[in-house]
Amino acid sequence: AQTVTQSQPEMSVQEAETVTLSCTYDTSESDYYLFWYKQPPSRQMILVIRQEAYKQQNATENRFSVNFQKAAKSFSLKISDSQLGDAAMYFCAYRGPSLYNTDKLIFGTGTRLQVFP
Amino acid sequence: KAGVTQTPRYLIKTRGQQVTLSCSPISGHRSVSWYQQTPGQGLQFLFEYFSETQRNKGNFPGRFSGRQFSNSRSEMNVSTLELGDSALYLCASSFWTALRGEQYFGPGTRLTVT
Repeated sequence: AQTVTQSQPEMSVQEAETVTLSCTYDTSESDYYLFWYKQPPSRQMILVIRQEAYKQQNATENRFSVNFQKAAKSFSLKISDSQLGDAAMYFCAYRGPSLYNTDKLIFGTGTRLQVFP
Repeated sequence: KAGVTQTPRYLIKTRGQQVTLSCSPISGHRSVSWYQQTPGQGLQFLFEYFSETQRNKGNFPGRFSGRQFSNSRSEMNVSTLELGDSALYLCASSFWTALRGEQYFGPGTRLTVT
């Protein structure tokens, strides 16, 4: 069965600095999708970034980028120029291959990010 | 375009009662998934519906059920509520295509069972 592990329950960063959140996963599939979701105190889950496993290029969305290491089954999120609004719970999530015909996400346990002024 | 909406946002029920939660997906989205979020178990997949058919189901007891209507709106029902059912219930929708679009989440329904 697929699993997602986030080993950092909490992280903190100074405003304008860079922070990296770690995620590892386990799967026997070669085609899959990985996501980072942000859940602020309002509890609304917001998609931050997605990565398709068949793409070697790391995904980037403005200040957010990932380091996708397929062989190591590692998927870390780098937040550059951290802002107070980045403070939230961050979840790493896995979705299986297209042929599975499902949207089911498997989530990690989350990392709480604090941003200090 | 309006986002995913969930009603009610907050709910307090007594043990043994039943509850129905509603989810309206983004217009045009045909796939709806439900998740339970608790401090102890984290985010767990409940079930998924596409074109009124349950396509996938998580490891939850039969007290948890759901359905999807022809307009893609979905409801989930929990019968004989237990204290452990207290959780944030999240609904997510996607525009299901071969390109596998992202899921967009609603704000959740906070259920408290007393």
